[in-house]
Amino acid sequence: KAGVTQTPRYLIKTRGQQVTLSCSPISGHRSVSWYQQTPGQGLQFLFEYFSETQRNKGNFPGRFSGRQFSNSRSEMNVSTLELGDSALYLCASSFSGHSTDTQYFGPGTRLTVL
Amino acid sequence: QQQVKQSPQSLIVQKGGIPIINCAYENTAFDYFPWYQQFPGKGPALLIAIRPDVSEKKEGRFTISFNKSAKQFSLHIMDSQPGDSATYFCAASNPGGSQGNLIFGKGTKLSVKP
Repeated sequence: KAGVTQTPRYLIKTRGQQVTLSCSPISGHRSVSWYQQTPGQGLQFLFEYFSETQRNKGNFPGRFSGRQFSNSRSEMNVSTLELGDSALYLCASSFSGHSTDTQYFGPGTRLTVL
Repeated sequence: QQQVKQSPQSLIVQKGGIPIINCAYENTAFDYFPWYQQFPGKGPALLIAIRPDVSEKKEGRFTISFNKSAKQFSLHIMDSQPGDSATYFCAASNPGGSQGNLIFGKGTKLSVKP
């Protein structure tokens, strides 16, 4: 079974631009979660999608948004980029999205904002 | 009350040593405590998890010890190897929660010297 894939792996953007990251979950998984990982804050939950609906949202500004398609693939978008948005963005998929359901993480997209 | 405090931030041991990573929580409603392992350039991967109704769980060289009254849990790695060098994250989850209710510790960078 193929793992979670994320594209692109690396991105460099400038302040004020917007960016879209993509995530393909493991086949059969309907839940996709997004996390921001930084050295200072660690892993912080952004949002979770299940069957094309956002079920849960973390404490991030509205500049961070996402969506999920009927094939469970997900995208996240960050508008009006700020320097502090530089981070590793991780996508994780699971079958049901329940907290005790094993999450499988992708390798992440490293976003650098200049 | 939603925090999970992890220590130490970094740890260096010799091959064969037993590194111990500790986590503490405040929310007594947490009922699922997983540990994740992350290698450079990779996403986190579930290593081992425990529920509060048991005090210890072993999987291979990895053991979780759980102290419900102290609201603490720890990861022990027996006979550590250089290949165990990675960042380890503890986490805790509310009962019946979705993936968004998984709260991560800040991580411990483990280095095992040959």
